[in-house]
Amino acid sequence: SQQGEEDPQALSIQEGENATMNCSYKTSINNLQWYRQNSGRGLVHLILIRSNEREKHSGRLRVTLDTSKKSSSLLITASRAADTASYFCATDARDKIIFGKGTRLHILP
Amino acid sequence: DVKVTQSSRYLVKRTGEKVFLECVQDMDHENMFWYRQDPGLGLRLIYFSYDVKMKEKGDIPEGYSVSREKKERFSLILESASTNQTSMYLCASSSRTGYNSPLHFGNGTRLTVT
Repeated sequence: SQQGEEDPQALSIQEGENATMNCSYKTSINNLQWYRQNSGRGLVHLILIRSNEREKHSGRLRVTLDTSKKSSSLLITASRAADTASYFCATDARDKIIFGKGTRLHILP
Repeated sequence: DVKVTQSSRYLVKRTGEKVFLECVQDMDHENMFWYRQDPGLGLRLIYFSYDVKMKEKGDIPEGYSVSREKKERFSLILESASTNQTSMYLCASSSRTGYNSPLHFGNGTRLTVT
């Protein structure tokens, strides 16, 4: 069962630009998390936002959550080459943490 | 820093073999998970465990089993490997049940079944 769905599937932007990725989910959640995966590696946790929060910041990352629309967005400001990776949202579904299919972000030099 | 170690980065096995994928975490985490990752399908949960000797089926448990005899170790077992089990396998751990615990991932085991 796929709870979260990221959009777009792939995104290419110039270095220095902002990147925005979206996540939609189906059922009510307690929290939503974003992860990054560099090619061929494991996932790294970026940020967690609780269902009673609307916005959260961490360095160049900004996450928003709209529980009425069952959606979240991840904004990466002033992108760098090192931001090239896949980004996943993850939501809690009962006892499990379910991941979406991810957005592949490519930062062009 | 939490470290989750998967015993092999790459593994090649033959159809019908019994395969063991090992995962060890060093932060005394209660929760451990096994996912597989395939292109176009994202991460799918195979099994998870919230305590020693405890296991729960995820979304795709068929053809797999798990073992958690010690808190730090969570093993994924392919009873009789098949080609459709060729995939990247990711182990993860977290410190509490459910809602507010980030997962810490290992670097994955890329398994090829021929």
